[in-house]
Amino acid sequence: QVQLKESGPGLVKPSETLSLTCTVSGASITSTSYRWGWIRQSPGKGLAWIGNIQTSGRTDYNPSLRSQVNISVDMSKNEFSLKVTSVTAADTAVYFCARVRAVAAATSYLYYGMDVWGPGTPVIVS
Amino acid sequence: EIVLTQSPGTLSLSPGDRATLSCRASQTISNAYLAWYQQRPGQAPRLLMYSASSRAAGVPDRFSGSGYGTDFTLTISGLAPEDFAVYYCQHYVDSVTFGPGTKVEVK
Repeated sequence: QVQLKESGPGLVKPSETLSLTCTVSGASITSTSYRWGWIRQSPGKGLAWIGNIQTSGRTDYNPSLRSQVNISVDMSKNEFSLKVTSVTAADTAVYFCARVRAVAAATSYLYYGMDVWGPGTPVIVS
Repeated sequence: EIVLTQSPGTLSLSPGDRATLSCRASQTISNAYLAWYQQRPGQAPRLLMYSASSRAAGVPDRFSGSGYGTDFTLTISGLAPEDFAVYYCQHYVDSVTFGPGTKVEVK
C-alpha cells in the first residue's frame, strides 16, 4: 500500500524559508508513471496547487508562486521536498503532498488523477 | 490559464437524495484532464473520478461523472451519510487548476 507523509516545522517566521519533505513508502519514487506534487489549503479555503516534479527532474509550478517555490526529489531517500522562500502570513496553510499518475502516451500522456495523498501538515507563519 | 467555476457553492440535501454538482471551465478542455475529488473535514482530498467519467479505485458506483467541452457534472445517485463533504473539480495539463469547491451539507 502506497503511503505519503509530509514532515517539517509547523511554525515558520515571516521572511524565512519553509522546508517540507514528503516521504513515500510502498512504492518507488523513480517510477516514470508518476509525478509528485504539492498542494496547499489556507484556513477555511479551497485547494491551491503549488507544483509538481517528475523523476526526470522537470518541474511545473503554479505561475503565481514560481518565484517563491522550489521542488526537488531525492531518489536515494524515496522522498521529495518543497521550499517556499520569504514566507508571509499568506503562506499559512495545510500542505499536502500527492502522487500524480500520468502515463506517457504516443504524443502526450494519460492522466489518472492525484491518486494518493499525504494526511497534510499544518504550517503557521508567525 | 484555465479557470474552473463550481456551482452551487453549497448544496443542502438529505441522505438518499440525488446530488448534481457542476464544474464549468473558462475554455474548452479535454475530458482526459478533468478530475473530481472529495474532501471530508480534517482529511486530505480523495480522488473520485478521472478523465471526467472514470471512477477511481474503490469509489462506489453511486458516484458518476459526465460532460465535455466546458461543462462537467458529478452526480451522486443516493447520498450516503459519508458523502456529506466538499467536492472539487480539477483540470490538469502541465499546470493544475482546482475549482473553488461545492459543499454538500445535510439539509
